[in-house]
Amino acid sequence: NAGVTQTPKFRILKIGQSMTLQCAQDMNHNYMYWYRQDPGMGLKLIYYSVGAGITDKGEVPNGYNVSRSTTEDFPLRLELAAPSQTSVYFCASSLGTDYGAFFGQGTRLTVV
Amino acid sequence: GQQLNQSPQSMFIQEGEDVSMNCTSSSIFNTWLWYKQDPGEGPVLLIALYKAGELTSNGRLTAQFGITRKDSFLNISASIPSDVGIYFCAGAGPLVFGKGTRLSVIA
Repeated sequence: NAGVTQTPKFRILKIGQSMTLQCAQDMNHNYMYWYRQDPGMGLKLIYYSVGAGITDKGEVPNGYNVSRSTTEDFPLRLELAAPSQTSVYFCASSLGTDYGAFFGQGTRLTVV
Repeated sequence: GQQLNQSPQSMFIQEGEDVSMNCTSSSIFNTWLWYKQDPGEGPVLLIALYKAGELTSNGRLTAQFGITRKDSFLNISASIPSDVGIYFCAGAGPLVFGKGTRLSVIA
C-alpha cells in the first residue's frame, strides 16, 4: 500500500529558483494538505484542498502555490525560492476535515 | 489563527515509567488526534478522538477528549525505548498541530 507518496525526498535550490514538490495519494481521499516543519517546531499548514479544483490558504501560504486537478495529486510550487523556505515539507491526506490525516515521508528542501 | 498549547515541551523518563502529556486550545475542535514522529519520518497517527469525553486506548496508549472540547491528554504506560520520538496533538478542521512533546527514554 503506497498511501501518500512525496517526491523528491531531498532537494537543494539556489535563491530565486523555482520547483514543484509532488504529492500523490492512492486512498481516494478528498482532503489533501501541505505542511512545513522547521527544526524543533510543529507543523504549519501552507495550503489545503477539499477536493479536485478547490484549494484554500492555510497559516503560511506566502511564497507558495498549489493546484488540485485530480483527486490523487496535490503539487506544491515554489516560484522564487528564498532561504526562509528551507524546511521539511509534508503532504497529507484524509477522508474529511474531522478525520485523521495520513502523512508522506517528507521532502527536505534547502535554499542556498 | 487557532493555536494549540502542548506540554511539556520535553520529557526524560526511565524505562518502565508512565508518561502523561496534554494539549489545550482556545478553540473548540470536533476531533482531537495524537501523532508520533520518528526522526526523518512523517507523523504517524496514534489515536483519534471523535466525541467529547471519549476515552480511547491503543495498546499502552490512552487518550481522552476533554468535555469542553478544548483539551486532550495522552498517557503512555510502562514506557519502552522505542517510545522515543516527538508526540504531537492536533485539532481537526483542517488539522492544526501543537508544537510537540519530545520524549526521551533512559534504559
